[in-house]
Amino acid sequence: KAGVTQTPRYLIKTRGQQVTLSCSPISGHRSVSWYQQTPGQGLQFLFEYFSETQRNKGNFPGRFSGRQFSNSRSEMNVSTLELGDSALYLCASSLAGASEKLFFGSGTQLSVL
Amino acid sequence: DQQVKQNSPSLSVQEGRISILNCDYTNSMFDYFLWYKKYPAEGPTFLISISSIKDKNEDGRFTVFLNKSAKHLSLHIVPSQPGDSAVYFCAASGNRGSTLGRLYFGRGTQLTVWP
Repeated sequence: KAGVTQTPRYLIKTRGQQVTLSCSPISGHRSVSWYQQTPGQGLQFLFEYFSETQRNKGNFPGRFSGRQFSNSRSEMNVSTLELGDSALYLCASSLAGASEKLFFGSGTQLSVL
Repeated sequence: DQQVKQNSPSLSVQEGRISILNCDYTNSMFDYFLWYKKYPAEGPTFLISISSIKDKNEDGRFTVFLNKSAKHLSLHIVPSQPGDSAVYFCAASGNRGSTLGRLYFGRGTQLTVWP
């Protein structure tokens, strides 16, 4: 069974640009969560999608948004990039929901210059 | 507000010895706890979990202990191996089954196991 796949692995953008990250969950998993990891800050919850609906959202500004498609694949978008958005963005999927055991992808490392 | 805390950013242990990683939480509604291991340039991988109805769970070299009254859990690795060198994240959740449930993560502890 294939794991969680995130693309691209690395991205370099400049301030003010926007970016879209992609995530394909494990087959059969309907819940997709997104996390931001920065050095020393652990994993900060962005949002969770289940059956194409956002069910839960963390404390991030509206520049961070996402969506989920009917095949459970998910995208995350960050608009008007800031230097502080440089981070590893992790996608995780699960069968039942965001409070259960999550299976993570390898992440997308975003650098904002 | 950090609801899951890992107060030791790093831990260094000799190969063959026991590694003990600690985690504290503040929310008494948490009833499910997990440990993840993360290597550089990879996503976290699940290690072991424990439900609040238990106080201990074992899986091979890994044992998690839960002290609900102290709101504290620990991960024991015995014996430690150089391949265990990684960042370990503690996570917790409440409201399992609720649409508002989510995992709360600590900031991680870097474990280094030296020969």
